[in-house]
Amino acid sequence: AQTVTQSQPEMSVQEAETVTLSCTYDTSESDYYLFWYKQPPSRQMILVIRQEAYKQQNATENRFSVNFQKAAKSFSLKISDSQLGDAAMYFCAYEKNSGNTPLVFGKGTRLSVIA
Amino acid sequence: NAGVTQTPKFRILKIGQSMTLQCTQDMNHNYMYWYRQDPGMGLKLIYYSVGAGITDKGEVPNGYNVSRSTTEDFPLRLELAAPSQTSVYFCASSSRGGQPQHFGDGTRLSIL
Repeated sequence: AQTVTQSQPEMSVQEAETVTLSCTYDTSESDYYLFWYKQPPSRQMILVIRQEAYKQQNATENRFSVNFQKAAKSFSLKISDSQLGDAAMYFCAYEKNSGNTPLVFGKGTRLSVIA
Repeated sequence: NAGVTQTPKFRILKIGQSMTLQCTQDMNHNYMYWYRQDPGMGLKLIYYSVGAGITDKGEVPNGYNVSRSTTEDFPLRLELAAPSQTSVYFCASSSRGGQPQHFGDGTRLSIL
């Protein structure tokens, strides 16, 4: 079974600085998707970024970017110019491209932003 | 522009009671999911559905049942509630596999 590991239970960053959240996954598949979701204190789950494994180019969304290392099975999230509103739980997730295999989530990293 | 709607938002049950968590989506998504999130943990999949009339077990299905009679609705039934089922429950939907999931706001369920 696929597993997703987030080795940093908690992280903190100064406002306007950059922080990187780590994620590794275990799979024997070559075609899959990776996601980062954000869960602020409001509890709502919000998509941050999505990466297709067959695309070598790293996905970016404004201040959020990923470092996707397929051979190393690593998928880290970089947040640039951190803002107070970035404070949240961040979950990494993996989905095999089979049409019928659901997401597997990591346990999450709690990010604090210090003013 | 409702997206995924879950009801109720909060509920307290007594051990042994039953209830149904409602989930409806207005995006015409084929795929729907139920997750539970225990304190300090990630989401664990309970059941999912890839279309009306099709359901499948996830990682933690024991003690739950689902049905999918329409594209829009995916209710989750708890039979004989137990304290171990105290959790926050999320419903989600997506257009197909590999696409981002849209989540409801969650239901906080306490069983005493």
